[in-house]
Amino acid sequence: EADIYQTPRYLVIGTGKKITLECSQTMGHDKMYWYQQDPGMELHLIHYSYGVNSTEKGDLSSESTVSRIRTEHFPLTLESARPSHTSQYLCASSAGVNTEAFFGQGTRLTVV
Amino acid sequence: GQQVMQIPQYQHVQEGEDFTTYCNSSTTLSNIQWYKQRPGGHPVFLIQLVKSGEVKKQKRLTFQFGEAKKNSSLHITATQTTDVGTYFCADTSGTYKYIFGTGTRLKVLA
Repeated sequence: EADIYQTPRYLVIGTGKKITLECSQTMGHDKMYWYQQDPGMELHLIHYSYGVNSTEKGDLSSESTVSRIRTEHFPLTLESARPSHTSQYLCASSAGVNTEAFFGQGTRLTVV
Repeated sequence: GQQVMQIPQYQHVQEGEDFTTYCNSSTTLSNIQWYKQRPGGHPVFLIQLVKSGEVKKQKRLTFQFGEAKKNSSLHITATQTTDVGTYFCADTSGTYKYIFGTGTRLKVLA
C-alpha cells in the first residue's frame, strides 16, 4: 500500500471560500504532482514539484497555487472557489523520472 | 505540445472476450507506463516499458512497446469483471512530468 495521503476525501464548499487540499507522503519522494480529473475522464497535470522550494505549473491552466516547504507535504490552495472548480483532485509522488507514480485516494471537491 | 492519445475511448465486452487499448504519441517516447483506475478509485501502476519492441506479460495482460517507440498497446485475454476500469498510458519523456493518455474505459458484461 502506497504511503501517500490526501485530506479531505470529500469537500462541499460555497462559492468564494478559500480552501486548501492536503497531500502528504512518507516515502521521501522528491517529485510530487497534482492532477485534476473529472469522473472517468483524463488526468490533467496542474502543478508539480521537483523538490523543496521548487514548484511549476502544469499543462492545464489552474487558478490554484501550491507550496513545497517540506519534502513530505504538497498542499494545493484555491483562494476563491468557484463552481467550475468542482472536480476530483489527485496528488501523486515518485522517486524520480522513469519510476512508478504513487497516487493518493483523491479529494472530491464540490463548489456550490 | 506533447500529446498521448488512446483508442478506443470506451469499450464494452462480454466476460471472456479479449480487449485491447492502443496508446499513440505524436513524438518518440523515452518509455511508457500503464496504469489502471478502478471506478471511484485512483490510478495504480501496472508496468513500465523501456525498450523498442519490448513485450511484457502479467498473467492475462500483455503489454507491447512499438518498434518506433511512438505507440504501445495493452491486451487483456479473456476479460473478467475484475478488469473493469479505465486504463491509462503515461509518458515521462525523460522529464519529471507524467503525461497521461486520454484513457480507455473498459466495461465487462457478465
